[in-house]
Amino acid sequence: DTAVSQTPKYLVTQMGNDKSIKCEQNLGHDTMYWYKQDSKKFLKIMFSYNNKELIINETVPNRFSPKSPDKAHLNLHINSLELGDSAVYFCASSQELGPGGTEAFFGQGTRLTVV
Amino acid sequence: DQQVKQNSPSLSVQEGRISILNCDYTNSMFDYFLWYKKYPAEGPTFLISISSIKDKNEDGRFTVFLNKSAKHLSLHIVPSQPGDSAVYFCAASARLTGGGNKLTFGTGTQLKVEL
Repeated sequence: DTAVSQTPKYLVTQMGNDKSIKCEQNLGHDTMYWYKQDSKKFLKIMFSYNNKELIINETVPNRFSPKSPDKAHLNLHINSLELGDSAVYFCASSQELGPGGTEAFFGQGTRLTVV
Repeated sequence: DQQVKQNSPSLSVQEGRISILNCDYTNSMFDYFLWYKKYPAEGPTFLISISSIKDKNEDGRFTVFLNKSAKHLSLHIVPSQPGDSAVYFCAASARLTGGGNKLTFGTGTQLKVEL
């Protein structure tokens, strides 16, 4: 019944590895996001897809590549992991409620630790 | 360039009293504002929102006030309860020309409600 689910919840990996985080939403929303919460607890948007089209691509290293196979899924692939990539990554989805109205639903987060 | 700011990283309030959390923004294109609550090891959950055409929205113990001229909003919780202890994020939404919305988050305020 989870509205936005992301896997895995915890991910510990070595520098230089490639890893993926998966996200699925069962809310029928058109828009999905990836946010990063760093050690200072800032929640920063990384990417957003609207109807499988990339609409937001903030200043994120090319090593990060989102992929949306369909409206319900937005996966995040990270190449050549670095220590600074350690953070909690949140997936979210939303549907426009009206002019500017956007209530985004978040997954439980994936805590990525690069060692 | 932090477009949404929460200048108080923490707030401590006694049970039963009012909690007031503040948020300032700089971008005039924001047309919808939201408050999220976050417990440790969980994703942010939506609490309450307000459209830019309103100045107040109330939902039970939670009220959000918007002062557009000052680019300031606040969340009032009354009476505060121990279960309200969490990190509260202010968020602002702006429509994108290609469709969809972009949510920008503040840095969060840790609220602690003491017995």
